Amino acid sequence: SAVISQKPSRDICQRGTSLTIQCQVDSQVTMMFWYRQQPGQSLTLIATANQGSEATYESGFVIDKFPISRPNLTFSTLTVSNMSPEDSSIYLCSGQGDYGYTFGSGTRLTVV
Amino acid sequence: AQSVTQPDIHITVSEGASLELRCNYSYGATPYLFWYVQSPGQGLQLLLKYFSGDTLVQGIKGFEAEFKRSQSSFNLRKPSVHWSDAAEYFCAVGLGGSQGNLIFGKGTKLSVKP
Repeated sequence: SAVISQKPSRDICQRGTSLTIQCQVDSQVTMMFWYRQQPGQSLTLIATANQGSEATYESGFVIDKFPISRPNLTFSTLTVSNMSPEDSSIYLCSGQGDYGYTFGSGTRLTVV
Repeated sequence: AQSVTQPDIHITVSEGASLELRCNYSYGATPYLFWYVQSPGQGLQLLLKYFSGDTLVQGIKGFEAEFKRSQSSFNLRKPSVHWSDAAEYFCAVGLGGSQGNLIFGKGTKLSVKP
């Protein structure tokens, strides 16, 4: 199965700033997704990253807050913009291919 | 709407005892079913998956799961738990096709007593 490298693994950020998270897959995947896992909670889908076009966002998530890029079939970024303490979460990317699904190791974000 | 229910938030078992983690899903057809494990501070690791065929699925680390269509369940089992199995376990449903994302249950935290 594919391997996803996600970075940074963790960060502590000041409120009002932005953080960009990167995911690199070692092989092509058909679909890529971004999830948020708030403390003690399950994973919630933020958006589907579409190659070469705008991401598809789930209800409650907007592009201005979580801009996503996917310039090719193996790379995607998620930016958490204008951060507040409520954005403190683990953010995970996922790739879907013929093998099923694989996940990055996650980015643990703390906003202070 | 599709959903996944893991009714047990926290389970504690003794090392060497058997384990069963429950998962029920709501979906009109047979979905793709997954179990993932997440250790503290770690990402998700796939334990096993069911797409079709034999309803008893074998996974890594001695885990297995059984798909029961009549009960809309996909319970995870292990005959003898090891202390290293202490972690959070997530059941997930994949719808496939253009709706390729996974829908996760809320997770079950497993603690193992020595």
